[in-house]
Amino acid sequence: DGGITQSPKYLFRKEGQNVTLSCEQNLNHDAMYWYRQDPGQGLRLIYYSQIVNDFQKGDIAEGYSVSREKKESFPLTVTSAQKNPTAFYLCASSTGLAGGGRQFFGPGTRLTVL
Amino acid sequence: AQTVTQSQPEMSVQEAETVTLSCTYDTSENNYYLFWYKQPPSRQMILVIRQEAYKQQNATENRFSVNFQKAAKSFSLKISDSQLGDTAMYFCASLPYNNNDMRFGAGTRLTVKP
Repeated sequence: DGGITQSPKYLFRKEGQNVTLSCEQNLNHDAMYWYRQDPGQGLRLIYYSQIVNDFQKGDIAEGYSVSREKKESFPLTVTSAQKNPTAFYLCASSTGLAGGGRQFFGPGTRLTVL
Repeated sequence: AQTVTQSQPEMSVQEAETVTLSCTYDTSENNYYLFWYKQPPSRQMILVIRQEAYKQQNATENRFSVNFQKAAKSFSLKISDSQLGDTAMYFCASLPYNNNDMRFGAGTRLTVKP
């Protein structure tokens, strides 16, 4: 089946630790995205990548880092510099603007800082 | 930067009735896409409907249709013959043609009552 997978589904972190959230897609999409969702708010863009080895900051990139070494993978690292990391994280991919802009979403990872 | 506003945090509708969710947006772009996404309790984001701003005709997908008023920057979603499975958070989003910066509203929680 084609789609986007995120792991783990639930993640617990102690304060001061870095953690990495996994996102993999087999849709052959060029563009990939990371969003953060907090209660009562919509999705906010953390980072996006339009092509391998290239990525751009979104509105709330501080305290996060990404890499795009392979087309299929776009891992997100939540660093200790992120002051309030407890949230639901969604990864998405798309064929880009030429494909009509539609983004396909993974099932999400719930991160809780203990 | 674009902004998207959903002024109805919560709504409810009786099964088989019709409901309309409101969305307004602000953009300086002339060409853009507009989307409605559904997020059921599973938290999986699902595309409901998409509209291209240059098209005057309102998009329709089965029981879902939009009322797109470009001059008023309004993009409402109408759900006809509401079903229990329509219970979800609904997010309105906009995406300019020239970049990947998709903006989401804060969402409307819709409950369909039997």
